[in-house]
Amino acid sequence: AQKITQTQPGMFVQEKEAVTLDCTYDTSDQSYGLFWYKQPSSGEMIFLIYQGSYDEQNATEGRYSLNFQKARKSANLVISASQLGDSAMYFCAMREVRSNDYKLSFGAGTTVTVRA
Amino acid sequence: DVKVTQSSRYLVKRTGEKVFLECVQDMDHENMFWYRQDPGLGLRLIYFSYDVKMKEKGDIPEGYSVSREKKERFSLILESASTNQTSMYLCASRERSETSYEQYFGPGTRLTVT
Repeated sequence: AQKITQTQPGMFVQEKEAVTLDCTYDTSDQSYGLFWYKQPSSGEMIFLIYQGSYDEQNATEGRYSLNFQKARKSANLVISASQLGDSAMYFCAMREVRSNDYKLSFGAGTTVTVRA
Repeated sequence: DVKVTQSSRYLVKRTGEKVFLECVQDMDHENMFWYRQDPGLGLRLIYFSYDVKMKEKGDIPEGYSVSREKKERFSLILESASTNQTSMYLCASRERSETSYEQYFGPGTRLTVT
């Protein structure tokens, strides 16, 4: 069963506007964490932001903020003031505990294209 | 800066060949991971290692094996490559910590099996 769902395969956004990328997750764990990674066309995965399940405040990192709604099991990424360099694929991921560490379960990704 | 490097960016192999993908990290991280990335499926965990010579299966270990003889190096082995293993392979590492969860990724190896 899919644990991370990203329903938007692709999005277009105008430069300087904000964009929200949707992510819903499924887990029965009480302790978990949610990540967003950015993957430009060059291929490397760039960590953007992390939210722990017990964190009371929404995580923010510069122009990135995570809208965490625990009861709805959603962890949407908001990118404010979009820039051309934000064009990339974005992945939502969830940390799940394993016996010797944790694993990340990834969504299918959302491609964002920023238009000038 | 944490650096995770992978031996090749692009690789073309024939069906049935034995394939080695190498990953090296320079931050003395305990844990290392191998993922494959396919369109529409995101990244899926193949194997991870939590110490030298220690490994654990991920979600899709079939057709793969791994080796970790030194802390900084984690190898993914395709014993007999098949066309359905054509994919992007990403290595990651992280410090074993209760307060830091970030995984650092390498640039990826795009493998084509013909």
